[in-house]
Parts: sequence; C-alpha cells; structure tokens
Amino acid sequence: SAVISQKPSRDICQRGTSLTIQCQVDSQVTMMFWYRQQPGQSLTLIATANQGSEATYESGFVIDKFPISRPNLTFSTLTVSNMSPEDSSIYLCSVEEGIGQGDGYTFGSGTRLTVV
Amino acid sequence: DAKTTQPPSMDCAEGRAANLPCNHSTISGNEYVYWYRQIHSQGPQYIIHGLKNNETNEMASLIITEDRKSSTLILPHATLRDTAVYYCIVRVAKRSQGNLIFGKGTKLSVKP
Repeated sequence: SAVISQKPSRDICQRGTSLTIQCQVDSQVTMMFWYRQQPGQSLTLIATANQGSEATYESGFVIDKFPISRPNLTFSTLTVSNMSPEDSSIYLCSVEEGIGQGDGYTFGSGTRLTVV
Repeated sequence: DAKTTQPPSMDCAEGRAANLPCNHSTISGNEYVYWYRQIHSQGPQYIIHGLKNNETNEMASLIITEDRKSSTLILPHATLRDTAVYYCIVRVAKRSQGNLIFGKGTKLSVKP
C-alpha cells in the first residue's frame, strides 16, 4: 500500500490565523482527497485534488477558506484560512490505491487541529 | 452512491467472532461494498471489499446476501486491537470514480 506522510500531526492555532497541512505520498497518484472529521463525527470530503488542475470542492467548502495545492503527483497541501474555533477538527488526506493493492483508499494519519 | 445503514455500536468478547451487519437495500448492480475501520486517533484503514461473491482476506471475511441488499463483515477472532469504528460504504467501480462517502459507522468495542 501507498505510504502517506501528513504534517503536522497536530497543532494549536490562534483564531484568525492560517495553517497549511502537507500530504506526501511515496508513489505517484492521480487523485488525492482531503477530508475533515469534526469531533465525534464521521469523515466529510472537503475537495478532490488532481495534479495540473483546480481542486474540486464539495458543497459547503470554498477555495477561499480551504485553498489546495497539487504541484506534482506525490504531494498536496491544504490550507485552513482565517481559522475559527469551529475549524477545530482532524484533517486527513487520502489517495486511491492501484488495482491489486487493496483496491481501496489509503489515508494519512491526520492532522488534529485545535483553534483557540 | 447507495446509502448504508449500520448499528451505531456493538460489543464483542475477545477471541470471539465479531459480526458487523450493514444494510444497503438501494445498492445498484455496479456498486461494490467496501469496509473500512478507524482506530482511535488514526486514519481509516481499508479492510475488504466485494461485489457479489463472498470474500476473505487476512483481516476479515465479507458475506454479501444473494440479493446484495445487505452484508456482514466477520472478524473471526476479535482482539482488543480490533476496537474501532467500522464503516460500510457502497460505491461504483474501483478506480477513478471519486471519493468515499462515510456514514456514521459501527463502533465496535472488544472486551476482555
């Protein structure tokens, strides 16, 4: 399976500031996904990031709040902008595995963000 | 993608089989059943998937009913490390068809 390194693993940030989360994969992947998991809740997709094109955002998420970069096939960043306490969540990146490698998705270990 | 229904929580004794049910009565013919689990403070982990035949791997077995409207994930000998939230997801195809849509899952507690 692909190995995903996600940084930082956790952070405590002041409201009004921004945090950039990095997701590094050890193999080239076409599609990368960013999810949010609010406390006690399930995962919600924020956006899909394809290399060489603009990210596609899900309903309720906008580029100004969650800008995404995808400079190459192994790396992506998600920025949480102008943070408020409501942004306190776990943010996870995910990639789709190739056939024969679980035929599923691999997730990073997540970034636990607390906004104070 | 079809919607799934799972019990919110289940308990299982250590060493016994854990049987986690999932209803997906509106599943389409080209939709697969995927199971993932999320251990506390970790990202979700792929377990197994299937279309219509029963599947088994080193982690679990997946039993899909003949009408494909429900399935059961079986952990044959549950351990304390299997305590996690288990998600049943149905989606079309296996590649390049977008993301996974997570429901609330079943919180499995394995007790000594």
